[in-house]
Formats: sequence, structure tokens, C-alpha cells
Amino acid sequence: NAGVTQTPKFQVLKTGQSMTLQCAQDMNHEYMSWYRQDPGMGLRLIHYSVGAGITDQGEVPNGYNVSRSTTEDFPLRLLSAAPSQTSVYFCASSYDRRETQYFGPGTRLLVL
Amino acid sequence: RKEVEQDPGPFNVPEGATVAFNCTYSNSASQSFFWYRQDCRKEPKLLMSVYSSGNEDGRFTAQLNRASQYISLLIRDSKLSDSATYLCAVMNRDDKIIFGKGTRLHILP
Repeated sequence: NAGVTQTPKFQVLKTGQSMTLQCAQDMNHEYMSWYRQDPGMGLRLIHYSVGAGITDQGEVPNGYNVSRSTTEDFPLRLLSAAPSQTSVYFCASSYDRRETQYFGPGTRLLVL
Repeated sequence: RKEVEQDPGPFNVPEGATVAFNCTYSNSASQSFFWYRQDCRKEPKLLMSVYSSGNEDGRFTAQLNRASQYISLLIRDSKLSDSATYLCAVMNRDDKIIFGKGTRLHILP
């Protein structure tokens, strides 16, 4: 199993550009989530999904969209990038929301 | 008040010492509790889940106090390799898993 994979590893965007951060898992996990991590702020939940076709907002959803058309994939879309979205983004998945979350290696995003 | 709070540290502890962290949560309906470990520039990885009766895994002991709404992590006989950031996570009834900001631990030789 590849576990949780994220692409790209690094990305530089200009203000106003849009992009999609990819997340995929091959463990047949139902629960998937996106976090951002900033210095001194810990991990903050952006969006999460309890299964295909179901998504919901986390703590800091503004400026981000998600979709969950398949169990395996949970892409995160930045609609119009802002410097405040410079961060490290982690995707995570678990078999069930009560179980261990497995994190991807992260995407480092810089918005200029 | 943030839903999940931790002392950010850093905790500077000599090798071989015992160190304890606490993590408080504000939602009394919280259902599941976890401790994660994160090394510098790496993704978080589960250290242990926290069960109502408390649980132990080698040198690590986790406790849950529902009345006072906190979880704790005790590390005995600390090793240099224990240096990391320790994150607590809490799952609420609305399926959100919320993390604390993390506590940095430095084990000193």
C-alpha cells in the first residue's frame, strides 16, 4: 500500500491564482480530512469527509473547496490564492472517524 | 477559548527523566482522544489512542479525565529520540477531529 499520497510536494503561486492539491489513499478509508499547519498555530481543520459524496467544513474553510467523488480521492481547491494561505497542507485518512488518522507527507505552499 | 489547548513548551528535559504533558478540551461531548508525535518537517504520526481506563505502551502512559476534561501523556525514562512535538487530538460528536497546537519536547543529553 502507498498509504496517503499528496501532490505536489511544493508549490509557489501568485496571488489570485487557483490550484488543486491532490490527496489519494489506497486503504479504503472512509474518513478523510485536510489540515493546514502554520508556525505556532498547530494543525487546523479545513474540510473533512465521512465518505464518498459527503463533505463538511472544519475550523478554517474559507477560501477552500473540496469534493469527494470517490473513496480514494479528496482534492482541495484554492479558488483565488492569497498570501495568508501560505502554509503546509496535510491530508489525512482513517478507516473510521474514531480510528487512527494516517497523514500524507504534506504540501508546502507559498503564495506571493 | 480554543477547543483543544496544550502548553506549547518547549519542555527541556534531561535524558532518563520523566515528563508529563496535559491537554484540555472544551467540548464535554468529545468522544475519542489521541496523542500524535510530529518530527521536524514531517507529518504527524499516531503515538497512542487514549482510552477511558487509561492505557500504557512501553514507556508511554495516556490518561483521560472526563470530569476535568483533559488528557495526559506521561513519558518515562526519556530518550534522545523522544525529542519531537506532541499533539493531542479530540474527536467531537460532529465528526470533527481537532488538534491542539502541540507541545515541543527537547531531551537533553
